[in-house]
Amino acid sequence: QKEVEQNSGPLSVPEGAIASLNCTYSDRGSQSFFWYRQYSGKSPELIMFIYSNGDKEDGRFTAQLNKASQYVSLLIRDSQPSDSATYLCAVNLTPGSARQLTFGSGTQLTVLP
Amino acid sequence: DTGVSQDPRHKITKRGQNVTFRCDPISEHNRLYWYRQTLGQGPEFLTYFQNEAQLEKSRLLSDRFSAERPKGSFSTLEIQRTEQGDSAMYLCAGEGDKTEQYFGPGTRLTVT
Repeated sequence: QKEVEQNSGPLSVPEGAIASLNCTYSDRGSQSFFWYRQYSGKSPELIMFIYSNGDKEDGRFTAQLNKASQYVSLLIRDSQPSDSATYLCAVNLTPGSARQLTFGSGTQLTVLP
Repeated sequence: DTGVSQDPRHKITKRGQNVTFRCDPISEHNRLYWYRQTLGQGPEFLTYFQNEAQLEKSRLLSDRFSAERPKGSFSTLEIQRTEQGDSAMYLCAGEGDKTEQYFGPGTRLTVT
């Protein structure tokens, strides 16, 4: 079992719709969760982070965390063609001295005009 | 712009050659990470520095790989005797007082 799992997609949504991206993780003790956006040929860009159960909103993006279910999601409202990218979920699986992130394989999102 | 720079952006080398990459984080980044990313996969952790101390190394980091951060500012990653399997994007990330990591543009290595 992979430690951080994402639906690989591809996921296609029409412009203006809500895109929902999901991620599950293996370590119940994980405390820090991140979403990165990666355009083709570019490096990952941090767009959201969440540490507490519940929702965190930033503009058109909402991150949702459910530690009991070991599940984190990203909602993109009013999707735009410029949102077309690969979205990477990253988790600090071993908090404390080991601070490296474990990434999922990413979900490729296409927003259709 | 995260303020993290990497050099070179692209490197093509022949199998068996040595290569060195450089990462320059911003001054606030007391922690620095190296990751490797291959096509269709998420980045994989290689190693991590707190200031000049190398605190963690992945099993992925074979004896051919070495990293330094001599003065707690810039870092270098060297690969000796490159193999075709080393072809990947090498990413550097900086982290300050908070736990968010910000990536540089990466160095794309092609081993022929």
